[in-house]
Amino acid sequence: AQSVTQPDIHITVSEGASLELRCNYSYGATPYLFWYVQSPGQGLQLLLKYFSGDTLVQGIKGFEAEFKRSQSSFNLRKPSVHWSDAAEYFCAVGVVPGTYKYIFGTGTRLKVLA
Amino acid sequence: DVKVTQSSRYLVKRTGEKVFLECVQDMDHENMFWYRQDPGLGLRLIYFSYDVKMKEKGDIPEGYSVSREKKERFSLILESASTNQTSMYLCASSLVLSGNTIYFGEGSWLTVV
Repeated sequence: AQSVTQPDIHITVSEGASLELRCNYSYGATPYLFWYVQSPGQGLQLLLKYFSGDTLVQGIKGFEAEFKRSQSSFNLRKPSVHWSDAAEYFCAVGVVPGTYKYIFGTGTRLKVLA
Repeated sequence: DVKVTQSSRYLVKRTGEKVFLECVQDMDHENMFWYRQDPGLGLRLIYFSYDVKMKEKGDIPEGYSVSREKKERFSLILESASTNQTSMYLCASSLVLSGNTIYFGEGSWLTVV
């Protein structure tokens, strides 16, 4: 069965430090991959997405993610975290045509220390 | 920009009440979704609709129904609200192919007392 795993429930980093949020998926083919961010009390905003091509994807707010087929991973990175990046981050997989299903991870909550 | 609007951001309802959560999107998207979000459980799909009057059950449809009479509007109905339905409800929409981006509304916080 398809699944998405975000192994870190909480991550705390200092402002200015680098960040990597992990995402692993289980799916038989190359999926469509997404990262979303959710600020407190708000809906989810798309950070970036991967469909095909270059495996390093650039997104908004200085984020990037790298698709690694051999590791079934799509980790999110940012070289220097800002206090405003404190939020919850969700990785998601779009199942290949045939269904309309998207599978979301359980999220990673990021805390940024001043 | 795509706009998904959930008309009620915060609701408090009594057990047994019928509850309507309304969602409107302005980008002519075919797909619309209702998710429920709970701490530690992430987003769980309640129902989705791929066309007017068409719907399919998601992972947790029990206790919920939906209505899509117009393309831009997708309503979630709790026939008889219960306390275990206290949660954040997120509406979303997308174009027809599953690889397309989902756009989310800001969410509706429902408390059932």
